Parts: sequence; structure tokens; C-alpha cells
Amino acid sequence: DQQVKQNSPSLSVQEGRISILNCDYTNSMFDYFLWYKKYPAEGPTFLISISSIKDKNEDGRFTVFLNKSAKHLSLHIVPSQPGDSAVYFCAARLRPLTSNAGGTSYGKLTFGQGTILTVHP
Amino acid sequence: DAGITQSPRHKVTETGTPVTLRCHQTENHRYMYWYRQDPGHGLRLIHYSYGVKDTDKGEVSDGYSVSRSKTEDFLLTLESATSSQTSVYFCAIKDDRSLGEQFFGPGTRLTVL
Repeated sequence: DQQVKQNSPSLSVQEGRISILNCDYTNSMFDYFLWYKKYPAEGPTFLISISSIKDKNEDGRFTVFLNKSAKHLSLHIVPSQPGDSAVYFCAARLRPLTSNAGGTSYGKLTFGQGTILTVHP
Repeated sequence: DAGITQSPRHKVTETGTPVTLRCHQTENHRYMYWYRQDPGHGLRLIHYSYGVKDTDKGEVSDGYSVSRSKTEDFLLTLESATSSQTSVYFCAIKDDRSLGEQFFGPGTRLTVL
């Protein structure tokens, strides 16, 4: 059962325009969400995150929006640049349990399948 | 640079042979993770560790075991490799103080013939 889904395998955008990458989740116990970018032959790199108590977080050209009622988050890149061409993964963290010692979820993340973004010059 | 290295970076092996992948960190972080990345599946958690000798299973742990005898090293072992374990394997670490951000190593591409 895929709890985090990225339904668009790929997205193609012109340089300078906006890129919008989408992610849906099913588990209401997720409380922290992240986006990662991955270039070929490299490990994923952390891009931006958002807590479930917020609906927007911005960092330069990157903005993440969270719609909890729809269980949906999106990553906006404005303006898009050719160097943004990569695979983008969304990820979600479960709310730390209070029943175990330390009240931790051990930081485990659940990832979506990824979306390949291509930005054309 | 999150101070994570993985070895080997590439490996080709035959079905039925044992394989061990190593993840080494210089950050002294408690949490370490092993993932595999496959087309259409994203990153899936194999095993994780929350301290020396403290490990637990992830969502795709069958056929894999791990060990962590030192803070800096997290080993992933395929006892008897199968073709379905052909994949790219990533190790990640997490700072105790972070809310969830994990930092990944460069990956190991494993091919099982």
C-alpha cells in the first residue's frame, strides 16, 4: 500500500516558467513532509520541508504548500532553471509515538515514487 | 557534504553469493538507514539503526541483514544475493536534533547476475 504517491512520473517545463510537482498521502499520522532532489549517479539531497502545523514554507525559488484536508502537498519552483532538471521525491514522517520510550518514530521516512523534472532552455 | 561514504560504489555479483555493503559516517549521528531505489518505487527503507547494536526492520527487509558495531559504520548484508536485489542502495544519516531531514550517501549500484 503506497502511503505517499507522486502520480506524475515526469514533468517538462520551459526555462523561466513555474514547475509544480505534486504529492498525495493517505496516512493522517504523517506530521512532517520533505522534498528531495536527485541527480543521476548521486544520492538524494534535501531541498525543503514543512511541518503539518503550517501550510506554506518558502526558500528562495522553492515553495512547498501543504493542504492537510486534501492530504496533498506541492513543490513550486519559480523560475525554473535547466539545472533544476532532476528526479524529485516527496517524503513524509510519521508523528512520533508516545507509547515507546523517548516518543520517537526513529526518523523513518516514507517516500513517493519520484517525478522526473526536465527544464528546457 | 554530510560526511557519508559508501563502499563499494559499484558491484557485480552472482546469484547465491553473499554481499556486504558498507556505510561510513564521520558525523557521529545515532540514526542511520539503508534504502533501495528502484524504478517506479522510489526509495524504500530496508533497515535502520538508532544506535550501536540497535537496529530494526524497514518495509523491504526480507533477504537483508544489518549490523552496527560502531557508531560510524552501518553494514548491509545480502546473505545469498538474488536477481531481485539488483538495485541502487543508499545509506542515510539523521541528526538527533533534526525533525526529519536525512542526508544521503552517494549510493552503491549492485547487479546480481
